[in-house]
Amino acid sequence: NAGVTQTPKFQVLKTGQSMTLQCAQDMNHNSMYWYRQDPGMGLRLIYYSASEGTTDKGEVPNGYNVSRLNKREFSLRLESAAPSQTSVYFCASSPGGTGLLLYFGPGTRLTVT
Amino acid sequence: AQSVTQLGSHVSVSEGALVLLRCNYSSSVPPYLFWYVQYPNQGLQLLLKYTTGATLVKGINGFEAEFKKSETSFHLTKPSAHMSDAAEYFCAVSDDGGTSYGKLTFGQGTILTVHP
Repeated sequence: NAGVTQTPKFQVLKTGQSMTLQCAQDMNHNSMYWYRQDPGMGLRLIYYSASEGTTDKGEVPNGYNVSRLNKREFSLRLESAAPSQTSVYFCASSPGGTGLLLYFGPGTRLTVT
Repeated sequence: AQSVTQLGSHVSVSEGALVLLRCNYSSSVPPYLFWYVQYPNQGLQLLLKYTTGATLVKGINGFEAEFKKSETSFHLTKPSAHMSDAAEYFCAVSDDGGTSYGKLTFGQGTILTVHP
């Protein structure tokens, strides 16, 4: 049972380059999320998808775009990377409804130079 | 708007000692409260959650937390620390009454160190 998987695990980009972070879940969950984690700031929500076909902005959406490709997959795109986007990115999924249980992937460590 | 404050970015205890990690929240409606743990180089795992009902919540690995509405607190405790408890702990809150599809607000995190 893979749960939530993320690729790549590590990535180094130069300022201005673009890339897509991939996330997939095999738990048939309705909702998926992208968070970034920065030291001393906890996790902050970038975008979320309450269900297939919908996406909404979270707390820190600037500089990012997302695609909910199907029920399993939710990708995060950086169109023009900036050093301020150096962070650890976590994808999570949830079955939805009450309880608000989040299942996290292992994370992608991104460095922008 | 909801917010979470974790008091102390680092907590150090001896093996066998009491673990107390503090969390205070701000919410305009009855909150849902969570504690997550993150081991090095891993994603977050749920330790325990409070939604409704009993205010003392028991989680995995011997941890428990008590929801105190009057103090707007949800502190995490464990009677006896193990070396394996060394990790970063995050408190989180949601006040959207179950319709927020898992939009949690996380605290800044507390790194727990356990000394032999």
